[in-house]
Amino acid sequence: DGGITQSPKYLFRKEGQNVTLSCEQNLNHDAMYWYRQDPGQGLRLIYYSQIVNDFQKGDIAEGYSVSREKKESFPLTVTSAQKNPTAFYLCASRSQGPGNTIYFGEGSWLTVV
Amino acid sequence: AQSVTQPDIHITVSEGASLELRCNYSYGATPYLFWYVQSPGQGLQLLLKYFSGDTLVQGIKGFEAEFKRSQSSFNLRKPSVHWSDAAEYFCAVGSGTYKYIFGTGTRLKVLA
Repeated sequence: DGGITQSPKYLFRKEGQNVTLSCEQNLNHDAMYWYRQDPGQGLRLIYYSQIVNDFQKGDIAEGYSVSREKKESFPLTVTSAQKNPTAFYLCASRSQGPGNTIYFGEGSWLTVV
Repeated sequence: AQSVTQPDIHITVSEGASLELRCNYSYGATPYLFWYVQSPGQGLQLLLKYFSGDTLVQGIKGFEAEFKRSQSSFNLRKPSVHWSDAAEYFCAVGSGTYKYIFGTGTRLKVLA
């Protein structure tokens, strides 16, 4: 089955710690995204990548970093510089062709303890 | 400025009643329009999309939506709601570039 796999589902971070969220897709999509979701605020774009070895900052990139070394993988690191990291994180990829559509993974919960 | 507005934060309907969720957008180019559904703690699932052709589009789970260019709207409808439809619904707009704009969501509650 094709899809987007995010791991872990739940993650706890201590103050001052970096954590990495994994995102893997087997849909053969070129473009991948990371969104942050907070209650009542919809989805906000953190980073996106349109092709391997290239990525761009979204609207709220501060305190986050990404890499795109393989087409299938787009991991997100939440660094200690992110002051309010507790949120639900969604990875997505975009289909090619007419009506380019974003498809989402199941999400990862990050909580600061 | 590009934007998507979902005017209703919460909607409550009785099981078996009809449903309409509103979505208005502001977008300079011809938009691609989407509706997604999200159950608690889960990712977003695509219900339907419009990018050209017939302005009434059918989706999964018995949902449909109608694109009305003159009203800049893309409202989601279902003739008879089931208890399992209780979830949060997001409208989104794109244009074929990298950028997608999401509304803030409408939470649907279904009364038995």
